This record gives sequence, C-alpha cells and structure tokens, in this order.
Amino acid sequence: AQTVTQSQPEMSVQEAETVTLSCTYDTSESNYYLFWYKQPPSRQMILVIRQEAYKQQNATENRFSVNFQKAAKSFSLKISDSQLGDTAMYFCAFMKMGDMRFGAGTRLTVKP
Amino acid sequence: DTAVSQTPKYLVTQMGNDKSIKCEQNLGHDTMYWYKQDSKKFLKIMFSYNNKELIINETVPNRFSPKSPDKAHLNLHINSLELGDSAVYFCASSQDLGLVSETQYFGPGTRLLVL
Repeated sequence: AQTVTQSQPEMSVQEAETVTLSCTYDTSESNYYLFWYKQPPSRQMILVIRQEAYKQQNATENRFSVNFQKAAKSFSLKISDSQLGDTAMYFCAFMKMGDMRFGAGTRLTVKP
Repeated sequence: DTAVSQTPKYLVTQMGNDKSIKCEQNLGHDTMYWYKQDSKKFLKIMFSYNNKELIINETVPNRFSPKSPDKAHLNLHINSLELGDSAVYFCASSQDLGLVSETQYFGPGTRLLVL
C-alpha cells in the first residue's frame, strides 16, 4: 500500500516570505497523481495544486509551485509571498485509480 | 450552485443510535467517495463508488454502509454508533477513477459527535 509522509507537523512563516512544505511517498507504481490540499479553519478541503507523475515539468499555480522528484519520491510545495489567508492545514496526497492516500498534514501559520 | 453538498453539517447523537449522512454532487461525476478525518486531522478513505458500483472498501466496520441510489448521490448510513465514530466525514466526487480526470472535489464535511 502507498504511504505518504509529511515530516513537518507545524511550520510558520512571516507574511510575504517563502515557505516550503515537505512530502515523501512510497510506491511501486509508475503512473499516479500527486496533490496538495489546503484545509483552513472552515474545514473545507481545497485543491491547491496537482502533478501527474508522467510529467517532468513541475506544476505551478500562481504563488504555489511544487518540486517533484520522481526518483526520490519527493513532492514538496513552495508558497511564495505568503499571505495571512494561507494559514491552514496542508495535506499531501497520492492517488492511483481513485484511491487517494493522505499524509498526516502540516499546520502552517502565516504571521503578520 | 454548490458542487458537492452534505447534510447535515453537524450531527450530535447518542451511542447506539443509527444515523445517516447524505451527499449529493451536481458535477455530473461518475465516482464518489467517503473519507473520515479523525481528531488528529488524519484523513482516510472509507469507500468509493463508480457508476453506483462499490470500488474501494477499506477496512471499515460493517456498521458503516454506503448507499448509492444514483450516480449523483452517495449516502453513508451508520448503525449502532460508538464513541470512536466521532469524526468529520467528507464526501468527494471525481469525473472518473483517474482515467480522464483525477481531481476529487470535496464536500464541506459533516462533524459527527457521539455522546
């Protein structure tokens, strides 16, 4: 079974600074998808960014980008120009054929 | 115009009761899911249905029974509720199992508290 590890339970960053959240995973599959989801205090699960494993190019979505290292099975999220609204739990997830496995999450606090 | 909706948002009940949580999606998706998020925020898949057919059934007590009357609905029925069932339950949907589109869209969650 696939496992997803987020080694940073909590992180904090100053507003306007950059922060990187780590994620590693374990799989024997070659084709799969990786995601970062954000869960603010409202508890809504919001998709931040996704990456197809067959694509070498790292995904970017405005201030959010990933560093996908397939051989190392690493999928980190970089948040640039952090904003107060980025304060949330961030979950890394691995998916194959609809079966999605989440990491334990990283609680990110953006400080003014 | 909510994409994935769940009712109720909050549910407080006594141990031993039977309760249901409803989920509906208006995205025209073929696949729906139930997840459980425990008090430590850990999210785990419970079930997935594709075109009303059960695809994923994780190690979940058989007190939990998903019911899919049609592709747009996946309800979760829980019998003989226990204290450990207290959690937030999320419904999600995706276009398919990842062949065409892999993104899962989540509902707002239902916070269940068993007393």
